[in-house]
Amino acid sequence: GDSVTQMEGPVTLSEEAFLTINCTYTATGYPSLFWYVQYPGEGLQLLLKATKADDKGSNKGFEATYRKETTSFHLEKGSVQVSDSAVYFCALIASGGYQKVTFGTGTKLQVIP
Amino acid sequence: GAVVSQHPSWVICKSGTSVKIECRSLDFQATTMFWYRQFPKQSLMLMATSNEGSKATYEQGVEKDKFLINHASLTLSTLTVTSAHPEDSSFYICSASFLGSYEQYFGPGTRLTVT
Repeated sequence: GDSVTQMEGPVTLSEEAFLTINCTYTATGYPSLFWYVQYPGEGLQLLLKATKADDKGSNKGFEATYRKETTSFHLEKGSVQVSDSAVYFCALIASGGYQKVTFGTGTKLQVIP
Repeated sequence: GAVVSQHPSWVICKSGTSVKIECRSLDFQATTMFWYRQFPKQSLMLMATSNEGSKATYEQGVEKDKFLINHASLTLSTLTVTSAHPEDSSFYICSASFLGSYEQYFGPGTRLTVT
């Protein structure tokens, strides 16, 4: 079945550091890939997405590129801020039209001043 | 656009009672709604999928009689936790999608505590 694997956290960075959160997936065909962010006590917000190979999703300084050859969708940000502290979920929706989302386990990011 | 709300945002109930959580799509017609459960420091677990006007499809291991889901209109779905027990305490999140879209739009979640 479909699955998403994320690097385990928590990840602790100093403000303005470079962020990478690794995400790899297993799925048949060409899934759509997503990164969601969850701030403490809140629901999920879509951060960015990519729907086909080599697409780059970007939002709020975050980027991720859909790499079919390595089945990866790593999240990056060049300079993190304290306000980026949250849990980040990598997710996919398999091709075929069914909307079921498969989530990774989430990676907690803590940015310290 | 594509805003989903949940009510209440948090609720405390006594063991043995039932509690209802509402999920509403505010600015679109949600043909499909999803209910997730999230345990502390864990990912979201899909509980069930519901299409407007039809019975919900439950994931394996989810008790249908305990978690009653109703999707009576294109803007409202409800999850009723019946005869709640402390182990039902969790964060429940709904999401919604509309016809022709593969994306899901998530609500802010409801924290249920059963004492």
